[in-house]
Amino acid sequence: GQQVMQIPQYQHVQEGEDFTTYCNSSTTLSNIQWYKQRPGGHPVFLIQLVKSGEVKKQKRLTFQFGEAKKNSSLHITATQTTDVGTYFCAGNYGGSQGNLIFGKGTKLSVKP
Amino acid sequence: NAGVTQTPKFQVLKTGQSMTLQCAQDMNHNSMYWYRQDPGMGLRLIYYSASEGTTDKGEVPNGYNVSRLNKREFSLRLESAAPSQTSVYFCASSFGVRAYEQYFGPGTRLTVT
Repeated sequence: GQQVMQIPQYQHVQEGEDFTTYCNSSTTLSNIQWYKQRPGGHPVFLIQLVKSGEVKKQKRLTFQFGEAKKNSSLHITATQTTDVGTYFCAGNYGGSQGNLIFGKGTKLSVKP
Repeated sequence: NAGVTQTPKFQVLKTGQSMTLQCAQDMNHNSMYWYRQDPGMGLRLIYYSASEGTTDKGEVPNGYNVSRLNKREFSLRLESAAPSQTSVYFCASSFGVRAYEQYFGPGTRLTVT
């Protein structure tokens, strides 16, 4: 079946360092979404990317969708302790299958 | 608005027991989902309901059944619980299935002994 691969699985950074997580699909995605889950919490939607080569920013977070619509990345500039959590990408392949396929997530820890 | 609510928050079952997890949303969403989350496995879709009156299998449907009771409510039933079903279960809803953000409930932590 279709899979969305996400790396790295874990990332430990010092506060103030940058952080990037990557998602890859072997087939073209219709769109990709990103979610954040705080420890003990539930996933919360961050953003959706639809267009080839799309770049969106939310304060210190930058989201990119690849030209071929097979990969995506989330980059956080100057991490803060409030960024702690697990970041998931979720791909939609369109067609008859409308549901999202989630990556396994990248767990970010930030040392103050 | 409460968003997506789930009951119970925690549950301990013995192997072979049955139970139903309840989910309700007050956002007038058409689509609802059940996921399970296991350490290192991300979120895996169990079943979803694209619209009232329809349900479809997701990635890991075995051992589960669902009912879309009405537009607001979507329940998940474990007929004969097994230790492999120990997990955190999340319900989610969205306006539609394709290009809409999903709103998640707080989750149910289930342990099967």
